[in-house]
Amino acid sequence: TQLLEQSPQFLSIQEGENLTVYCNSSSVFSSLQWYRQEPGEGPVLLVTVVTGGEVKKLKRLTFQFGDARKDSSLHITAAQTGDTGLYLCANTPLVFGKGTRLSVIA
Amino acid sequence: DSGVTQTPKHLITATGQRVTLRCSPRSGDLSVYWYQQSLDQGLQFLIQYYNGEERAKGNILERFSAQQFPDLHSELNLSSLELGDSALYFCASSVEARRVTQYFGPGTRLLVL
Repeated sequence: TQLLEQSPQFLSIQEGENLTVYCNSSSVFSSLQWYRQEPGEGPVLLVTVVTGGEVKKLKRLTFQFGDARKDSSLHITAAQTGDTGLYLCANTPLVFGKGTRLSVIA
Repeated sequence: DSGVTQTPKHLITATGQRVTLRCSPRSGDLSVYWYQQSLDQGLQFLIQYYNGEERAKGNILERFSAQQFPDLHSELNLSSLELGDSALYFCASSVEARRVTQYFGPGTRLLVL
């Protein structure tokens, strides 16, 4: 069974700072998705990456997929309070990491 | 709004009881997934249905069962409830069965006392 490890588990930063969170797998991803989940709601898909080395940008969010397709990172530039939430990586569609809980403080 | 609906939003019950959670997928989606989310275990896949047939099974207990009806809505039945079954239960749907975008519902928060 594939295991996804996300780090850090918790992250609290000031508005305007940059941050990176990581997702590492015990085996190769078929494809990798990043989700954001806000309190009381279901996860919402941010991006899907498929090709090793792929980089995708979504406004201030940059997603990178490792060359070997066993790891990924999510970088947020100039974090805003609206970025607060639980960030989950997943090997679509069935295996999820435990997430990084991000809190951005004004 | 993802288009996936789940009822009820909250459920409080006692140990030993049985409950049914309901999910209506997005219009046009044939596949339904059930997940359990707890603080210590994260989001755990339970079971998937595609067009009425069981497609994949995850860490679903024998006390739990699910089905997908001809109108594509799905129900998750939890019986002989234990304190440890307290969690958020999410339903997600997708158009196809594999490796595609899932849309999650708002979840049902179950509290077993």
